[in-house]
Amino acid sequence: SQQGEEDPQALSIQEGENATMNCSYKTSINNLQWYRQNSGRGLVHLILIRSNEREKHSGRLRVTLDTSKKSSSLLITASRAADTASYFCATAGIFNDMRFGAGTRLTVKP
Amino acid sequence: NAGVTQTPKFQVLKTGQSMTLQCAQDMNHNSMYWYRQDPGMGLRLIYYSASEGTTDKGEVPNGYNVSRLNKREFSLRLESAAPSQTSVYFCASRGNSYEQYFGPGTRLTVT
Repeated sequence: SQQGEEDPQALSIQEGENATMNCSYKTSINNLQWYRQNSGRGLVHLILIRSNEREKHSGRLRVTLDTSKKSSSLLITASRAADTASYFCATAGIFNDMRFGAGTRLTVKP
Repeated sequence: NAGVTQTPKFQVLKTGQSMTLQCAQDMNHNSMYWYRQDPGMGLRLIYYSASEGTTDKGEVPNGYNVSRLNKREFSLRLESAAPSQTSVYFCASRGNSYEQYFGPGTRLTVT
């Protein structure tokens, strides 16, 4: 069964706006990762946040993690048309077994 | 570096036929993974190999077998394909970090 669940399932915004996606999970984790998938392609790693971290930044990406609520959010600031893709959270347990959510499909309109 | 490569890119099988999906990585990674992705769903782990010579079942191993041929190569075999195995298959590898590197995928249709 899937560990992470992303919300919303789909998000459509205008270029320049911020996009926020959420991920909830069920069990204890070692770390949580976010991946991007362009249509018809493999997944590309974006950012990893460890269970003892609360916030992490990478360029226009900001990830938060709340282990008490078992949730994470991914914020993409100043979005671009090229950010159009599906975004997945993946949780890694203590044995580094990875579980992926069903993803959020982001559309950024030019 | 080519990263993770998969062959073939597309395949159509009839029910009951067998085939092997090939995966190779040139990053000297110890761990390799096979996932399937169905429409509207995330990836589900079929099998993984933590190191050369070892393989373990993931979430959905039924109907599949794997071989870790050497450190570079990890193949996935469907012995008797079923329509329920129609999916996109991704191979991934991981080194010492937690980040996984994915191949471009194989789109398999079983009729």
